[in-house]
Amino acid sequence: AQSVSQHNHHVILSEAASLELGCNYSYGGTVNLFWYVQYPGQHLQLLLKYFSGDPLVKGIKGFEAEFIKSKFSFNLRKPSVQWSDTAEYFCAVNRISGNTPLVFGKGTRLSVIA
Amino acid sequence: DAGITQSPRHKVTETGTPVTLRCHQTENHRYMYWYRQDPGHGLRLIHYSYGVKDTDKGEVSDGYSVSRSKTEDFLLTLESATSSQTSVYFCAISDSRGDYEQYFGPGTRLTVT
Repeated sequence: AQSVSQHNHHVILSEAASLELGCNYSYGGTVNLFWYVQYPGQHLQLLLKYFSGDPLVKGIKGFEAEFIKSKFSFNLRKPSVQWSDTAEYFCAVNRISGNTPLVFGKGTRLSVIA
Repeated sequence: DAGITQSPRHKVTETGTPVTLRCHQTENHRYMYWYRQDPGHGLRLIHYSYGVKDTDKGEVSDGYSVSRSKTEDFLLTLESATSSQTSVYFCAISDSRGDYEQYFGPGTRLTVT
């Protein structure tokens, strides 16, 4: 069965610090990869996704992620965080075979302090 | 935002009572999903649907049933609610036209006392 691991449960950063959130998945086949963000009290919104092509994908709000197939990783990065980035971040994966349900990591809570 | 609504948005119910949550979409997407979100567990799939009257179980389906009689509606039923089903429930939709990207509804916060 597929699984997704997010290594950091809670990350605290100061404004303007750089961010990297780890995500590893376990599945030997071809996958789609996603990062979702959930702001306090809100529903999940898509930050970015990787289906194929350039392994460095850019998303909304200055976020990017790099797919490293050999490491089964899809880490999320942002060069300079803002207070408004305080949220919970979820990595998710599904198999490329038509539509299959997403498998989510347990999430990483990001707190950005002034 | 995708046209997804969930009702009710908040509900408090007693142990042993049946509860039905509704997800309604206006996007005509083929696939619909129910997840539950709990601290420390992320989102876990309860059931999903790949068409009208076509459903399948997810990771945490025990104690839940679903029905989809129309493309736009996907119902989640707790036959006899238990305190362990206190959670936030999210509906999601996807379709091949959107590369199967999942769009999420606003969520339903359910408390079972």
